[in-house]
Amino acid sequence: DIPMTQSPSSLSASVGDRVTITCRASQIIDSFLNWYQRKPGKAPRLLIYAASSLQGGVPSRFSGSGSGTDFTLTISSLQPEDFATYYCQESYSDAWTFGRGTKVEIK
Amino acid sequence: QVQLVESGGGVVPPGRSLRLSCAASGFTFSSYTMHWVRQAPGKGLEWVALIWYDGSKKYYANSVKGRFTISRDNSNNTLYLQMNSLRAEDTAVYYCARQRATRSYFDYWGQGTLVTVSS
Repeated sequence: DIPMTQSPSSLSASVGDRVTITCRASQIIDSFLNWYQRKPGKAPRLLIYAASSLQGGVPSRFSGSGSGTDFTLTISSLQPEDFATYYCQESYSDAWTFGRGTKVEIK
Repeated sequence: QVQLVESGGGVVPPGRSLRLSCAASGFTFSSYTMHWVRQAPGKGLEWVALIWYDGSKKYYANSVKGRFTISRDNSNNTLYLQMNSLRAEDTAVYYCARQRATRSYFDYWGQGTLVTVSS
């Protein structure tokens, strides 16, 4: 397993805010890093794959960056529908790992 | 359309076994690597295991290695998770998920089945 350290574990933000979530891998994982959004009662939704590629249908306010060990998910202007929990997930190793999640709450 | 439907969850005492199933439809099941992911109450997502499209390779999280076995029946489009020596910390909703072909991410998920390990 490759432990993934995701931070912060939660944050409070207002509509229109810029939000940044980070994920750090315990070893180099190239760009094998994905980001998912999870809302209660719904399946996780893929936002970003391969560290920076926007999944089809995902709004352009979501972006991902990084490679190696340090990665970032940015929401450029938070919208009401973005309040959710976000997870990073590495797929470099044979045994995939999720970060512990970041809950984005309304301020 | 792609559908993944889990079943087999329930309440089981510690130390006992349970087998989960995931019925797949709407795609060529035998062409896809499949995974199990779980989420314990109040916790985040935890990857559990994966199996290659042909069943030739299987990988497990350290937390379940030696106790859980992933398998598949491509003739019946079904994924399985045999869970032995269950512990209280295995209590979770278990999801099956499909890995996107030629990519390393999940593109479809089931709705989940709840496993509760309790005496």
